[in-house]
Amino acid sequence: EVQLLESGGGLVQPGGSLRLSCAASGLSLSNYSMCWVRQSPAKGLEWVSGIIASGGSTYYADSVKGRFTISRDNSHKTLFLQMDSLRADDTAIYYCAKVYVEVSVHYYFYMDVWGKGTTVTVSS
Amino acid sequence: EIVLTQSPATLSLSPGERATLSCRASQSINSFLAWYQQKSGQAPRLLIYDSSNRATGIPARFSGSGSGTDFTLTISSLEPEDFAVYYCQQRTHWAKTTFGQGTRLEIK
Repeated sequence: EVQLLESGGGLVQPGGSLRLSCAASGLSLSNYSMCWVRQSPAKGLEWVSGIIASGGSTYYADSVKGRFTISRDNSHKTLFLQMDSLRADDTAIYYCAKVYVEVSVHYYFYMDVWGKGTTVTVSS
Repeated sequence: EIVLTQSPATLSLSPGERATLSCRASQSINSFLAWYQQKSGQAPRLLIYDSSNRATGIPARFSGSGSGTDFTLTISSLEPEDFAVYYCQQRTHWAKTTFGQGTRLEIK
């Protein structure tokens, strides 16, 4: 069974940094594209970032471009999201999720396996 | 940015009834639309991809239709576990995916 488990959330002051981790079990990260998605009462569901399995290209929502960095450690089956220059409107539950694959076709950026999420609160 | 507008905001039905949820895009998105179900305290669950294809393991009572700007999720006969919030998502432009604001399906 494929499982994802996020960690690293917490309370941080505006302008601060956090590094989120997502531990994957039951799948090889190198074979799947992965995403971070956040959810807040104010903005709802918002795709944040993605990393492609083949080649490792990375992509970001305009709202986080230049401040967040997605990366992965295939050997340790862990996905990361480095978040810098945090703002109050980054407050949300952050989910890591796997891009849906059906019959070897990758459906960027639909997501079929999600973690339980980790909460990030940006406040002074 | 492509905006997805879901209606109604809340839908009140009884088990066994048919549910019809709508998602309208601010511009044509071909058939690049997915539907998710989210229960309280849980992550979203992928139900339908590319407008009308059921994801792996999704029951046949869930079906999707539409193309261009107007899309529908239909649940043919509601089960008690179907009462949740439903979101649509479009993926027309690379790395510019967006979600709708959700429809809450509640027990009448």
